[in-house]
Amino acid sequence: SQQGEEDPQALSIQEGENATMNCSYKTSINNLQWYRQNSGRGLVHLILIRSNEREKHSGRLRVTLDTSKKSSSLLITASRAADTASYFCATYANSGYSTLTFGKGTMLLVSP
Amino acid sequence: ETGVTQSPTHLIKTRGQQVTLRCSSQSGHNTVSWYQQALGQGPQFIFQYYREEENGRGNFPPRFSGLQFPNYSSELNVNALELDDSALYLCASSEAQGIGNEKLFFGSGTQLSVL
Repeated sequence: SQQGEEDPQALSIQEGENATMNCSYKTSINNLQWYRQNSGRGLVHLILIRSNEREKHSGRLRVTLDTSKKSSSLLITASRAADTASYFCATYANSGYSTLTFGKGTMLLVSP
Repeated sequence: ETGVTQSPTHLIKTRGQQVTLRCSSQSGHNTVSWYQQALGQGPQFIFQYYREEENGRGNFPPRFSGLQFPNYSSELNVNALELDDSALYLCASSEAQGIGNEKLFFGSGTQLSVL
């Protein structure tokens, strides 16, 4: 079953604009991760934020986490055409043995 | 490039047939997870292997089985293929066993079509 749900399902912007994607999840988590997937290929890890962190940056990426609302957001600043991909949030539940559970993803299209 | 390789990249099978997909883990990784990704969906966890033993399983029937070898490479076997098994199958390796902090390193996947 899907733990996370991304919003919006699809996002279309122009190069140079910022892109914001949101993720909601259901259970208490250990950490939340964001992955990127180009054209149905393998996923690439972007960033991990732990449950005791509120914000994290990596290059043009900014991730926030609100555990009280069970939500996270991924902001890509100054987007480029090469950022066109699907973005997934994934969580490890905070109870016993856990595996990484993915949401359905947001498809981002960045036009030149 | 993650160092995780999968073969074959594409495969076409007929309903009822059996298929074996292969994965070579990134060097130093002892855990491998398999995911199924249907078109337009997120990856769904099939199972995980740690040091040659199944270490967790998602909501998939027993006709989905796997192996992990001493060199940590892995196979996913699917028997009695059904049309709904058509999907991208992703292998991911990681360094540790389900402690909740791992980043997964994915291969490029095997696209399976069942006709």
